[in-house]
Amino acid sequence: DQQVKQNSPSLSVQEGRISILNCDYTNSMFDYFLWYKKYPAEGPTFLISISSIKDKNEDGRFTVFLNKSAKHLSLHIVPSQPGDSAVYFCAASANYGGSQGNLIFGKGTKLSVKP
Amino acid sequence: DVKVTQSSRYLVKRTGEKVFLECVQDMDHENMFWYRQDPGLGLRLIYFSYDVKMKEKGDIPEGYSVSREKKERFSLILESASTNQTSMYLCASSFTGLPNQPQHFGDGTRLSIL
Repeated sequence: DQQVKQNSPSLSVQEGRISILNCDYTNSMFDYFLWYKKYPAEGPTFLISISSIKDKNEDGRFTVFLNKSAKHLSLHIVPSQPGDSAVYFCAASANYGGSQGNLIFGKGTKLSVKP
Repeated sequence: DVKVTQSSRYLVKRTGEKVFLECVQDMDHENMFWYRQDPGLGLRLIYFSYDVKMKEKGDIPEGYSVSREKKERFSLILESASTNQTSMYLCASSFTGLPNQPQHFGDGTRLSIL
């Protein structure tokens, strides 16, 4: 059973507009969430993260929102640029007594930003 | 910056061969991980290690083994390669000392088993 779900395999957005990538999770023990970006033939690159004690974290054009009651998080990219075209993975982990658990990844969403 | 280096970007092997994938990190990270990435399946954890000579099974360990003789190096071994092990293999490392540390990935090895 998938604990981290990215229900949209792909998303197409016009340059300059907002991209919103969504992620849902089922395990209420998850308390740390991350987004990774992956270009073809490269490894995933860490983008932004959020702890469960927050509901928003912002880094430049990237903002992650966490809604714990809905077990939902989203990544907003504003404004979107063609260089943002990549596969985005959502990941989650749980801290068990101070020892961080492994990351559980979603299946990814392929973002295409059109000029 | 963290550097995770995988020894080969592309590798072609034959069915039944023993295959070694090597990974080295330069940040003195305690944790190291091996994943495989397949279209539509995301990243799946094969094995991980929290310390030298320690290893733990991930979600899909069958057909694989690992070795961690030194802190900076984590090897993935395909004991007898099969065509269903054709995939992109990704190594990652992370730091234990502080909570909520991201994993840092290498560029991957595209392995083809013929």
